[in-house]
Amino acid sequence: RKEVEQDPGPFNVPEGATVAFNCTYSNSASQSFFWYRQDCRKEPKLLMSVYSSGNEDGRFTAQLNRASQYISLLIRDSKLSDSATYLCAVPQGGGFKTIFGAGTRLFVKA
Amino acid sequence: GAVVSQHPSRVICKSGTSVKIECRSLDFQATTMFWYRQFPKKSLMLMATSNEGSKATYEQGVEKDKFLINHASLTLSTLTVTSAHPEDSSFYICSARVGSTNTGELFFGEGSRLTVL
Repeated sequence: RKEVEQDPGPFNVPEGATVAFNCTYSNSASQSFFWYRQDCRKEPKLLMSVYSSGNEDGRFTAQLNRASQYISLLIRDSKLSDSATYLCAVPQGGGFKTIFGAGTRLFVKA
Repeated sequence: GAVVSQHPSRVICKSGTSVKIECRSLDFQATTMFWYRQFPKKSLMLMATSNEGSKATYEQGVEKDKFLINHASLTLSTLTVTSAHPEDSSFYICSARVGSTNTGELFFGEGSRLTVL
């Protein structure tokens, strides 16, 4: 099993739709989790962090399920500008190094 | 907020030459920096952990003599791709954490796109 696994997609959704991505992780001792957004040919930028059960920021909601070892990202009322690759990241071991999932590509269309 | 800067953003070189990429933390001290590599439409793969004042820790399968890492100060880490070959062409990104926690978010440099002819 990969340390961090994501559905690569792509997800093609219309504007205004709600879309959700899942990310599973193998290390049950992991304490923190992150969603990054990466635009084409750019560096990743932090979207949300999750330290307990979940986090919400405007149209974005991240939830953590420790029992099943996954985190999810929900995007409501999708905008064209939400089109990007969403990377799940989990610090490993003592938290020192961070492992990234393969990323989920999202295309929001008019 | 914290900023990590990388230079150069793009570099084209001939096979057999060496290329140095710099990663700087601009408004904080980073005892540890992380170097990632990303192929087109693929995820970030951790290459090595750069430690200030000591040797870097390389991930399995990453050649130490091929990818030289030097972390000479608390704000600068460098990655040198030695004797570059076309298969080394990739997007190289550095990152660092702010503060002492090992579980915090990573701040990324802008990335360096290397093309080896």
